[in-house]
Amino acid sequence: SQQGEEDPQALSIQEGENATMNCSYKTSINNLQWYRQNSGRGLVHLILIRSNEREKHSGRLRVTLDTSKKSSSLLITASRAADTASYFCATDAYNYGQNFVFGPGTRLSVLP
Amino acid sequence: DAMVIQNPRYQVTQFGKPVTLSCSQTLNHNVMYWYQQKSSQAPKLLFHYYDKDFNNEADTPDNFQSRRPNTSFCFLDIRSPGLGDAAMYLCATSIRLAIHEQYFGPGTRLTVT
Repeated sequence: SQQGEEDPQALSIQEGENATMNCSYKTSINNLQWYRQNSGRGLVHLILIRSNEREKHSGRLRVTLDTSKKSSSLLITASRAADTASYFCATDAYNYGQNFVFGPGTRLSVLP
Repeated sequence: DAMVIQNPRYQVTQFGKPVTLSCSQTLNHNVMYWYQQKSSQAPKLLFHYYDKDFNNEADTPDNFQSRRPNTSFCFLDIRSPGLGDAAMYLCATSIRLAIHEQYFGPGTRLTVT
């Protein structure tokens, strides 16, 4: 499979703390995307980082990509209870013959 | 607001009884996707349409079919649902393949009795 692991599988933190989630993958990619999913709902796109980029920011979100290690991380700073959700990374490797593949996800719980 | 709509949100069908899930979009995107997501798992891509071109994932069972009669609508047909097909089915769209974010609908939760 294209996708490796996300860790941790579950993360529980206090409001105001930072949350870091990691994603690994196996082969070359065009880009890597992070999505959020609230329980029983559809996915919401957070950030897209291209294979030639190393870091991107969006509000309280910071994503890094290390193509040499085939890994990415998502940092949520100053977490809020509303950030409680599952977070998935997804690799897009269309140019390499691999369609969109999601990682297993990290379930984040932010406690008030 | 431009969006991806899935109907119904909840669907109950009997074992072996064909069922169709629908998806529509007002985004005018070229690509439409269908994903299957089982409880506590990642979404798994079943197939996608790029305009009228259909692309089936290699491990998608033959029991699953899709139709895209026009740009706005896409249907997922499950010909003979089994208990293992109970899942959330997610429709998504994107402008084009590669280097574009996907926009997801709210999903249809399918129960097979």
